[in-house]
Amino acid sequence: EAGVTQFPSHSVIEKGQTVTLRCDPISGHDNLYWYRRVMGKEIKFLLHFVKESKQDESGMPNNRFLAERTGGTYSTLKVQPAELEDSGVYFCASSRLAGERSYEQYFGPGTRLTVT
Amino acid sequence: GNSVTQMEGPVTLSEEAFLTINCTYTATGYPSLFWYVQYPGEGLQLLLKATKADDKGSNKGFEATYRKETTSFHLEKGSVQVSDSAVYFCALRAGYSSASKIIFGSGTRLSIRP
Repeated sequence: EAGVTQFPSHSVIEKGQTVTLRCDPISGHDNLYWYRRVMGKEIKFLLHFVKESKQDESGMPNNRFLAERTGGTYSTLKVQPAELEDSGVYFCASSRLAGERSYEQYFGPGTRLTVT
Repeated sequence: GNSVTQMEGPVTLSEEAFLTINCTYTATGYPSLFWYVQYPGEGLQLLLKATKADDKGSNKGFEATYRKETTSFHLEKGSVQVSDSAVYFCALRAGYSSASKIIFGSGTRLSIRP
């Protein structure tokens, strides 16, 4: 089966611009997560969708970040307006709902965002 | 709160050397522990995991034992290869639900020279 895919792989934008990152989870995975790694530091949780609903958005840094998952399939993460400190690698992960056999979170390759 | 502290890198070793990357954690309850690896140009992959005290996770020659008394989950490999060069992340999942978020350490970059 295809893995988690993310688009674009790399984005370079200027401060103040808008960027939208996309994540396509593994087919059938109702859990979808966003994480990011800033400045070579730890990977930090941003939010968690169960289908189209936000289960936990405690890691979203501020209201410049907007995540959506319409229809419970792919998800987008929009940063508007982007700031320099938003630079980093944004990872998406997906997993099956609890109650099924495998609970592992499968990660995508990440989107490297550079804000100049 | 829950956190993971791991050995800072970069770590550079010669091929066939013994590897240890230290990892300690702080968590309430009984977390599940993980090591993830990111090879150059690729995404994060689960390397191994342990879900309860004294469990040993192992994969590709790597091992880590869940030590509750020392709150540690050190990664070891007896003989590293050039292909092991990557960034390694220690992580935990603390919630009761298996869908809970994962908390990562800062990563350790490992370089193996031939």
